[in-house]
Parts: sequence; structure tokens; C-alpha cells
Amino acid sequence: EPEVTQTPSHQVTQMGQEVILRCVPISNHLYFYWYRQILGQKVEFLVSFYNNEISEKSEIFDDQFSVERPDGSNFTLKIRSTKLEDSAMYFCASSVSGSGNTIYFGEGSWLTVV
Amino acid sequence: AQSVTQLDSQVPVFEEAPVELRCNYSSSVSVYLFWYVQYPNQGLQLLLKYLSGSTLVKGINGFEAEFNKSQTSFHLRKPSVHISDTAEYFCAVSEGGSGTYKYIFGTGTRLKVLA
Repeated sequence: EPEVTQTPSHQVTQMGQEVILRCVPISNHLYFYWYRQILGQKVEFLVSFYNNEISEKSEIFDDQFSVERPDGSNFTLKIRSTKLEDSAMYFCASSVSGSGNTIYFGEGSWLTVV
Repeated sequence: AQSVTQLDSQVPVFEEAPVELRCNYSSSVSVYLFWYVQYPNQGLQLLLKYLSGSTLVKGINGFEAEFNKSQTSFHLRKPSVHISDTAEYFCAVSEGGSGTYKYIFGTGTRLKVLA
């Protein structure tokens, strides 16, 4: 069964450093998402991406965050200058279409900022 | 604005007993509702979803959920749980037809099945 794949599975970075989390969505999907889950808390929406542009973003997704689809298969989340509070599990997800369609999640990238 | 409430943070239950995990939502428009399961150190896997039609939906692993519009609830049930059902369960809502595709998740319910 097709799946969303994410790399790295775990990354430790120093505060202030830039981090890029990578994702390969399911190949025929058109909508892409990033969610995050701080340890012990709920899963929170960060951003959705469609047709090579951001379609929606949350208040968490500030100027420190950016997303990109650099080629036909990858979808990346960049955090420019990491803060301690960015430590979380980051989930990439994709769906065939928008509202009502099942979103398929990757296994997550665990980011630890020290 | 949408919100999802999962009243129980943890639910312990003995193996082969029935279980119900509660989920209530608030939204001013029509909604789509989902239950996801997260096993330890894994991602989120869809259990079942309600989009329209029959209010009783069946999902994988013997789970089912009932959409109750008047009570704004979407409780998850299983008649007989197994040790392997031990996991975190998340309820999520998405607004229908509004042009927004994001899910709003509840805080999760940790189901612990006891031998």
C-alpha cells in the first residue's frame, strides 16, 4: 500500500540552527500538509499546500517556517532558526483531494532542539 | 470555529471487554469526522470516517462509530478489545465544503487494554 515517507526519523539540532524536514507524499496525491505534535499534546495543523502554493496556515506557522515542493516528489518543511519550543514530532500528510478526503500521515520526524 | 473534545485522557479496560471512547465536536457548518489511531512510536492511521449517509460507520480492526448530530458526538466503540488495541486514539473534524481542508484534532484518549 502506498505510504507517506519522512526523513529523518529523528533529528537533534542546536537552538538557532536551520532544519529541513523532508517528505515524499503518495504519488497521485495533490494536497500536502504538515502537522506537529508536541510531546503529550494533541496533533496541531501547521500548513496545507496545493498547486504549488500554501492554501492555508495556522498561527503557529510564522515567518520562521516555510514549505516547498522542490521537485515532483518531495515536500519539505524548513524551520529557519529553531527554538526550544519547536521540539516536537512533525507529521507530513497528503490527500488526493481536499475537504472530506482521507489524509494519509507519515510516521513522523521527531525534532529535538537543544 | 471548530473544536474537538475528547473527555477521557485515559481509558483502562480489560481484554475482551467492550469500550467506548468519547468525542464531541463543535462547528457551525457541516462536518466530516474521523478517528485515527497512533501506536507507540508510529504515525497516525485512519480507523474510520464519517462523511455523509448512514450515521453508523464501521472501520478497521472491529471498531465502529456513530455520528449523532443532535448531540454533536462521534463516539468510537469496540465490542471486545484485544491487548493489541492499546494505543492513542484521536478524533478529528474537518469542515465540509468550506474550502478549508485542515483537520482539527482532539487531545487524544490513551486506551490501555489489561490482561
